Amino acid sequence: GNSVTQMEGPVTLSEEAFLTINCTYTATGYPSLFWYVQYPGEGLQLLLKATKADDKGSNKGFEATYRKETTSFHLEKGSVQVSDSAVYFCAVSSGSARQLTFGSGTQLTVLP
Amino acid sequence: ETGVTQTPRHLVMGMTNKKSLKCEQHLGHNAMYWYKQSAKKPLELMFVYNFKEQTENNSVPSRFSPECPNSSHLFLHLHTLQPEDSALYLCASSQLAGDTDTQYFGPGTRLTVL
Repeated sequence: GNSVTQMEGPVTLSEEAFLTINCTYTATGYPSLFWYVQYPGEGLQLLLKATKADDKGSNKGFEATYRKETTSFHLEKGSVQVSDSAVYFCAVSSGSARQLTFGSGTQLTVLP
Repeated sequence: ETGVTQTPRHLVMGMTNKKSLKCEQHLGHNAMYWYKQSAKKPLELMFVYNFKEQTENNSVPSRFSPECPNSSHLFLHLHTLQPEDSALYLCASSQLAGDTDTQYFGPGTRLTVL
């Protein structure tokens, strides 16, 4: 089955610092890759996605590139804000059922 | 109202109670999902429904009973739960066409079993 290994947290950064959260996956076929974000007290929201190799997903200053050769989908942001404090989940979807397999999540705290 | 809604947002119940969680999606999707999110554990997929038919049951105990009367509504009936069932229960939906496998989540129901 599919699996996702995600950088363990928590991660604490100062405002305007550079962010990287590592994510690697194992999957059969041609998976789609996702980053979801969960703000305190809320459900998961789609942050960005990529559906084929070398695609770059981007949203709200966050980016991630689908690297098939390294089976990775690392999340990056050049300058984080306090409002980016949340839990970030990497996920992979493949197969006819298109079920999502999630990583364990990375807690990010950005300090002013 | 748009998106995926869940009610109630918070629920406290005793081990002998019977309660139900409700999920409704206003996105015109064909698939709906129940997930369990416990502290310090990855999200656990519980059930999947495609076009009202259950297609996945990830070895969930029978004290959790799903119901999907139509493509827009999904319920999770709860009875004789255990304290370890306390968690955030998330509902999601997706389109299941082409590459639109993106799942959209509701805000969750925070369940506490006493």
